[in-house]
Amino acid sequence: AQSVTQPDIHITVSEGASLELRCNYSYGATPYLFWYVQSPGQGLQLLLKYFSGDTLVQGIKGFEAEFKRSQSSFNLRKPSVHWSDAAEYFCAVVSYNNNDMRFGAGTRLTVKP
Amino acid sequence: EAGVVQSPRYKIIEKKQPVAFWCNPISGHNTLYWYRQNLGQGPELLIRYENEEAVDDSQLPKDRFSAERLKGVDSTLKIQPAELGDSAVYLCASSLGRTGDGYTFGSGTRLTVV
Repeated sequence: AQSVTQPDIHITVSEGASLELRCNYSYGATPYLFWYVQSPGQGLQLLLKYFSGDTLVQGIKGFEAEFKRSQSSFNLRKPSVHWSDAAEYFCAVVSYNNNDMRFGAGTRLTVKP
Repeated sequence: EAGVVQSPRYKIIEKKQPVAFWCNPISGHNTLYWYRQNLGQGPELLIRYENEEAVDDSQLPKDRFSAERLKGVDSTLKIQPAELGDSAVYLCASSLGRTGDGYTFGSGTRLTVV
């Protein structure tokens, strides 16, 4: 069955530390891949997306993600976290044969001073 | 460019009452989606429209939920009657319709059923 998994429900990092949020997918073919961020009471903001080509994708707010076909993963990274990065992060996929976007359960990021 | 506009932002109703949510997509986006996001979870697709046609409504609880997209632009999602378990954030999104273009989401309507 098609699925998107975010193994970490909640992650806490110190401000200035590096961050990696994990995302794994299970689809018949490599889907289109996305990362969104959602602040409390806000809508979803697109951080970055991967369609094809270079497996390292740069996004907004200093985020990047690396697509690894062999691991069916699309992990989100940031070298130095800021307090304003505290939010909920969602990995999402769109398969080739339809336009429906499916989301992972999300990872809540807490940033310690 | 205006984003996806949803109203109201918040709604509190008693169970068994009807409720409706409205969405105005980005101009020119022919594909429109309604998602439901329960607390602490990722959004789940309820229905997808291509222009005015509902092409995927398999996750829409049809006994109480209905949706329409008149003239292929604005859309309304209705619940009648509402149940306690319907409390959630209802998100609308639109896209150009080509797979992989990514979506633009509205800010959502937070529904509380008491």
